[in-house]
Amino acid sequence: EIVLTQSPGTLSLSPGERATLSCRASQSVSSSYLAWYQQKPGQAPRLLIYGASSRATGIPDRFSGSGSGTDFTLTISRLEPEDFAVYYCQQYGSSPPGVTFGGGTKVEIK
Amino acid sequence: EVQLVESGGVVVQPGGSLRLSCAASGFTFDDYAMHWVRQAPGKGLEWVSLISWDGGSTYYADSVKGRFTISRDNSKNSLYLQMNSLRAEDTALYYCAKDAIGGYSYTHFDYWGQGTLVTVSS
Repeated sequence: EIVLTQSPGTLSLSPGERATLSCRASQSVSSSYLAWYQQKPGQAPRLLIYGASSRATGIPDRFSGSGSGTDFTLTISRLEPEDFAVYYCQQYGSSPPGVTFGGGTKVEIK
Repeated sequence: EVQLVESGGVVVQPGGSLRLSCAASGFTFDDYAMHWVRQAPGKGLEWVSLISWDGGSTYYADSVKGRFTISRDNSKNSLYLQMNSLRAEDTALYYCAKDAIGGYSYTHFDYWGQGTLVTVSS
């Protein structure tokens, strides 16, 4: 089973700053099966990025995803007040079939 | 508009059983695989189970295998999770989520419900 490790656990930044979130896999992951989600308190997760780098419908272009193999990155170019939240990476694996999530990175206001 | 509405969450004693439901609308339900994902209070996301569009394939996390059963009724646009032998560690908000890709491909979740809370406690 592939394990996803997200770092850092918490990122303290100010609005307008750049956020760089890491997701490292214990084995190589197909880019097609790597996604990122945003979750705010009391809300369901929202899809941000799929296929490692494709933005979901309605997601602002300040959000971007990159990476391949075992190292993936979510970048928020300039933090807006509404971007302070918890972010999760997720992968689908076929051997055995199943889904795993990273432990999450909390982006908090500094 | 895609909507997923979960129900069935209650307080149940350890060892008890519970059936969660998810009513889907706004898309062609029987074109897509569906998932259950849970989140313990203050914790991260944990995938629980997935079912193919036709119900012919089901997969489970090791933590629930043999205790939980996922099913669907495409005639009712509904997804279910039968939960048996419940443990304290099953306490969580349970979300149903739609897979983004149709057919037998499984990738990521493009829509989520708001969740239903299951509490396992004596």
